[in-house]
Amino acid sequence: GAVVSQHPSWVICKSGTSVKIECRSLDFQATTMFWYRQFPKQSLMLMATSNEGSKATYEQGVEKDKFLINHASLTLSTLTVTSAHPEDSSFYICSAREWETQYFGPGTRLLVL
Amino acid sequence: GQQVMQIPQYQHVQEGEDFTTYCNSSTTLSNIQWYKQRPGGHPVFLIQLVKSGEVKKQKRLTFQFGEAKKNSSLHITATQTTDVGTYFCAGWDSGTYKYIFGTGTRLKVLA
Repeated sequence: GAVVSQHPSWVICKSGTSVKIECRSLDFQATTMFWYRQFPKQSLMLMATSNEGSKATYEQGVEKDKFLINHASLTLSTLTVTSAHPEDSSFYICSAREWETQYFGPGTRLLVL
Repeated sequence: GQQVMQIPQYQHVQEGEDFTTYCNSSTTLSNIQWYKQRPGGHPVFLIQLVKSGEVKKQKRLTFQFGEAKKNSSLHITATQTTDVGTYFCAGWDSGTYKYIFGTGTRLKVLA
């Protein structure tokens, strides 16, 4: 099946700093990628839909100025958590769609101190 | 908004017992996927169901898609300790075309 990579796999940062997470589709082109956030023992919550060459579509309650998404190519989407705070600590997972199937990246664990 | 609920939320079974998780959507899904997430891991794709009433089997796992395409089930026969994890259903809402995850069912298998 298709492979999606995410980098970094985990990051610890100080409050107030910005963190960039990369999501790559390795063996297919993805015009649409998705960013999810998962808190412990909870389901995946869709944050935004990233469309190549256009602005991302954010879900209700997700601040677009805080979670900057860029989808500059058909194989790369980035999520930047700006001015991170401890409450942003979470597991961030991206996915890319090939036809009707979603392929997930391994996730990025973010801990903001 | 659209909701996809799964029941039960948690299930502890003795190894060898059967297990079923049910997925119910408030709206019609164009198709449905099932994922397994091990503790500390990411969701791993298990299967996709597309047709109304479809039933698919993968070894000890049986997946079913409801006739109205609003519910689905995953049944595991004779559970093993390797089945431990959280099982999520997810699907594309046929109206908004958003991909929505179910609330998940956490399975614990006792040896």
